[in-house]
Amino acid sequence: KAGVTQTPRYLIKTRGQQVTLSCSPISGHRSVSWYQQTPGQGLQFLFEYFSETQRNKGNFPGRFSGRQFSNSRSEMNVSTLELGDSALYLCASSLFQAGVGNIQYFGAGTRLSVL
Amino acid sequence: DAKTTQPPSMDCAEGRAANLPCNHSTISGNEYVYWYRQIHSQGPQYIIHGLKNNETNEMASLIITEDRKSSTLILPHATLRDTAVYYCIVRDNQAGTALIFGKGTTLSVSS
Repeated sequence: KAGVTQTPRYLIKTRGQQVTLSCSPISGHRSVSWYQQTPGQGLQFLFEYFSETQRNKGNFPGRFSGRQFSNSRSEMNVSTLELGDSALYLCASSLFQAGVGNIQYFGAGTRLSVL
Repeated sequence: DAKTTQPPSMDCAEGRAANLPCNHSTISGNEYVYWYRQIHSQGPQYIIHGLKNNETNEMASLIITEDRKSSTLILPHATLRDTAVYYCIVRDNQAGTALIFGKGTTLSVSS
C-alpha cells in the first residue's frame, strides 16, 4: 500500500511569490492534515481537511490556505512568501474510525526555501 | 501548547532497552497517548498509542500508569536506526483533532 506522497520534495522561491504544495493521501484515507516544521517553532499544525471541508485550523495567517479535492488529494498554498516561511511542510493522512483511533501517517515533506 | 513533558535527550547502548518517559499530568479521560518519532529531516513515524491499558506492537511497548499521568515508551532492543526525536502526544480521538507536538526527546543510540 502506497504511503502519503508529497510533491515536490524541494522548492526554492523568492520573497513575494506564491507556492502550491501537493499531497496524495493513503488510499481510502479521507482526512488530510498539514503541518509546518521550523527549527525555531518545531512542528505546528496548519489545518485539516475532511471530505473537501476544512475541519480544523491552526494559528497561521490567511496567507496560508488549502483545499481538498473529491479524490481526497490536498493542496496547500502560501501567498506573498516571507523569509520566515522557509520550512519543512508535512502532510498527514488518516482513516478516522470512531472507537478505533485516528492515527495520522506522514509523508516525507516538502522542503521550501524562500530567498 | 503541548500537554506533555519529556526529557530533552537520552542515550542508549545498542542492543539495550530504551525507556523513554513522558509526563502528562493534565490528561483527560478521553485523551489517548500517542508516540511518534522523527528521524532527521523525514516525516514523523507513528509508533504506538494507548488509552489506559499497556500496549505492544512490533515496534515498541507503551506502559501507562494507573492514574494515567505518565507513560513510558519501551524500545526493547535499540539499534542505531532508532536514533531519532521521539514525541509523546496526548490527544482525543474526535474528528478534526490536531497533533500538538512538543520538543520531544532526542534518543541517541550508540554502539
